[in-house]
Amino acid sequence: DADVTQTPRNRITKTGKRIMLECSQTKGHDRMYWYRQDPGLGLQLIYYSFDVKDINKGEISDGYSVSRQAQAKFSLSLESAIPNQTALYFCATSEGFNQPQHFGDGTRLSIL
Amino acid sequence: AQKITQTQPGMFVQEKEAVTLDCTYDTSDPSYGLFWYKQPSSGEMIFLIYQGSYDQQNATEGRYSLNFQKARKSANLVISASQLGDSAMYFCAMREVMRTDMRFGAGTRLTVKP
Repeated sequence: DADVTQTPRNRITKTGKRIMLECSQTKGHDRMYWYRQDPGLGLQLIYYSFDVKDINKGEISDGYSVSRQAQAKFSLSLESAIPNQTALYFCATSEGFNQPQHFGDGTRLSIL
Repeated sequence: AQKITQTQPGMFVQEKEAVTLDCTYDTSDPSYGLFWYKQPSSGEMIFLIYQGSYDQQNATEGRYSLNFQKARKSANLVISASQLGDSAMYFCAMREVMRTDMRFGAGTRLTVKP
């Protein structure tokens, strides 16, 4: 089983819909992250959380919200989806500063 | 300001040859970590290698090594004996101790030719 699991893997939806992307991990890491990837731009941080009571905005948080339901679960919501949020979304976890981030397999989201 | 620069959008290498993927970074923080990730066409992000700013030796992991030149602020990835399965996007990333996030470069697409 994957250490970091994202659901769904693919999603096509319409403008204005509310969407939730889910992430769960079995690595026992406190730190969790949500990124989006657009072609040619690498990864950009949306939100991150260092524990259940700690939620922080990343560089591109507008239009997104998150919920850290438990140490192992971190969800990303698009309240009212728009086409320029079409992207590949990654959840990641890490132990600490000098430790690598471990990524889920990504969610391909298309908003029509 | 761009923190991580990967100047090679695409690279080609012959199978079994070595290839160097360039990465330069910008930081004023004396403590930072540098990471390389591989992203195959299937999309997942695979961690390859890590170098800490205070590490005295260049990091190595199997066929991957990191040519770390601190004064030049470069952290180039060297892949030895390229294999067809090495064809992928490669991302350089940096985390500074004073920041909570990891900054990624735009990536280099490597194609290994048979």
